[in-house]
Amino acid sequence: AQTVTQSQPEMSVQEAETVTLSCTYDTSESDYYLFWYKQPPSRQMILVIRQEAYKQQNATENRFSVNFQKAAKSFSLKISDSQLGDAAMYFCAYRSAQAGANSKLTFGKGITLSVRP
Amino acid sequence: GAVVSQHPSWVICKSGTSVKIECRSLDFQATTMFWYRQFPKQSLMLMATSNEGSKATYEQGVEKDKFLINHASLTLSTLTVTSAHPEDSSFYICSAHRGTSYEQYFGPGTRLTVT
Repeated sequence: AQTVTQSQPEMSVQEAETVTLSCTYDTSESDYYLFWYKQPPSRQMILVIRQEAYKQQNATENRFSVNFQKAAKSFSLKISDSQLGDAAMYFCAYRSAQAGANSKLTFGKGITLSVRP
Repeated sequence: GAVVSQHPSWVICKSGTSVKIECRSLDFQATTMFWYRQFPKQSLMLMATSNEGSKATYEQGVEKDKFLINHASLTLSTLTVTSAHPEDSSFYICSAHRGTSYEQYFGPGTRLTVT
């Protein structure tokens, strides 16, 4: 079974600074997807960024980028130029590329990010 | 596109009664929907996987008779909490999978309070 580990329960960052959220995972599969989701106080889950395991290039979405280290099974999220609206709970998630539509998301425990003005 | 709605957004019910939560994919057909439960400041816990026209697949430890899931159409799945008790109070979230997309689209969640 796959597992996702987020060992830091909380982090804080100064507005406009950069912060990195850590995530490691364990799997025996070679083809899978990794995601970072944001859950603000509204509790609506928002996809921040995704990474396909077969792609060596790290995904980037505006101020958000990942450092994907497949051999080390590490998938960290970097938030640049942090904004007050980035304050939320962030979840790292894994999804197998097999099993099609029934493929489940496996979530980490999440990390609460606060942004200091 | 790819909007998922949930109804109601917040429900209060008395202990012993049943409550139904609806999950709809508004602009796409969802062959598979997922139901999660989330306690405050905790992660999402998958309860069951729901496929249109077939019985739901429940995760280990989830009571099938308590949490009834019906996926009657390609745009609607329902979760019924039967004989609710205060310990069932939680935040319930659904998500829907569209076609061959890698992504699950999440509903806004339903807060259930059992008094």
